[in-house]
Amino acid sequence: AQKITQTQPGMFVQEKEAVTLDCTYDTSDQSYGLFWYKQPSSGEMIFLIYQGSYDEQNATEGRYSLNFQKARKSANLVISASQLGDSAMYFCAMRAGTYNAGNMLTFGGGTRLMVKP
Amino acid sequence: GAVVSQHPSRVICKSGTSVKIECRSLDFQATTMFWYRQFPKQSLMLMATSNEGSKATYEQGVEKDKFLINHASLTLSTLTVTSAHPEDSSFYICSARVRGKGNQPQHFGDGTRLSIL
Repeated sequence: AQKITQTQPGMFVQEKEAVTLDCTYDTSDQSYGLFWYKQPSSGEMIFLIYQGSYDEQNATEGRYSLNFQKARKSANLVISASQLGDSAMYFCAMRAGTYNAGNMLTFGGGTRLMVKP
Repeated sequence: GAVVSQHPSRVICKSGTSVKIECRSLDFQATTMFWYRQFPKQSLMLMATSNEGSKATYEQGVEKDKFLINHASLTLSTLTVTSAHPEDSSFYICSARVRGKGNQPQHFGDGTRLSIL
């Protein structure tokens, strides 16, 4: 079974500063993928970034980067230069097993990020 | 990019009513779609995996006679909450993934807020 843990239920960050959202995972699969999604108050799930278990470099997408430490089973999301629009719930998720359209995602409990002006 | 459309976005109805929620993949074919349920301030919980042309796979604790899933085509899955009661009030969200490389994220619909009076 897979498990995703997000230990920070809520966080504040000052606008324009960087923030790290923690995510640890547990799986016995050698092949897996890690995803981060953003959920604003309106409810939609917005895909942010992906890291594959065999990717040697940390993923980056604009202001988002993923600090992937495989030995520690952590996949923290770093948001640089926070903006007011970054205020939302953030979910870490994992797809375990080999590539298959039927692979479900297991979600962490989420972290509510609040950006202060 | 891949788009998933979910309809309706909000439903308010009386107890005992059956409610149908549609999930469509607009620009790709999805042999597998996923249905999640999210209570306020909680994470997404997978309810079932919808498979085109075959029966859905339900997660433990989810009543298949209560939550009917039909995946009649490669672009449409429906979730019907039968004889809904106030405890069924929740945010329901579907997702689908483009077949191909494992780094393809699941694309989510915008969700349906169901309120049973």
